[in-house]
Amino acid sequence: RKEVEQDPGPFNVPEGATVAFNCTYSNSASQSFFWYRQDCRKEPKLLMSVYSSGNEDGRFTAQLNRASQYISLLIRDSKLSDSATYLCVVRGNNNDMRFGAGTRLTVKP
Amino acid sequence: DTGVSQDPRHKITKRGQNVTFRCDPISEHNRLYWYRQTLGQGPEFLTYFQNEAQLEKSRLLSDRFSAERPKGSFSTLEIQRTEQGDSAMYLCASRPGASYNEQFFGPGTRLTVL
Repeated sequence: RKEVEQDPGPFNVPEGATVAFNCTYSNSASQSFFWYRQDCRKEPKLLMSVYSSGNEDGRFTAQLNRASQYISLLIRDSKLSDSATYLCVVRGNNNDMRFGAGTRLTVKP
Repeated sequence: DTGVSQDPRHKITKRGQNVTFRCDPISEHNRLYWYRQTLGQGPEFLTYFQNEAQLEKSRLLSDRFSAERPKGSFSTLEIQRTEQGDSAMYLCASRPGASYNEQFFGPGTRLTVL
């Protein structure tokens, strides 16, 4: 079993749609959680950290459920520019970072 | 450009040859990470440095792989006796101290082993 698992995707949605990505992790001792975005042939960049109480940044909402070892990302009012691969990332207590395989999102006009 | 830099950006080598990649992190970032990414997969953690100390190594880092960060600034990743399965993008990332979460990635070095 992979340490971080994500929805396989791809997700193809029209502009304005709401889309949700899920992620589960296996290490219950994980300390920190993130969503990164990676554009084609580019390096990953931090989208947002994920906090236990849930957090929102504009159209993006992240949720964490430690009991279920589950993380989610919700994107509202999708834009064409949201098209990318979204990576779920978990940091362990040794500061090692574990990435999911990523979920590809394509937003179409 | 004050971001993370990696050199070379592309490397083509023949099977069995040794290769070395360099990463220059953002100045004063004491944490430095190496990852490997293949098509359709997320980055796979390879190793992690805090200053010059290598604190964590993945089981993916076989005996053919070695990483150093001798002065706590730039880092090198060497692959000996390359195999075709080593073909991948090698990413370096850095971040400041423990209280800061975001990792800043370099553009990567794409390795092709023929």
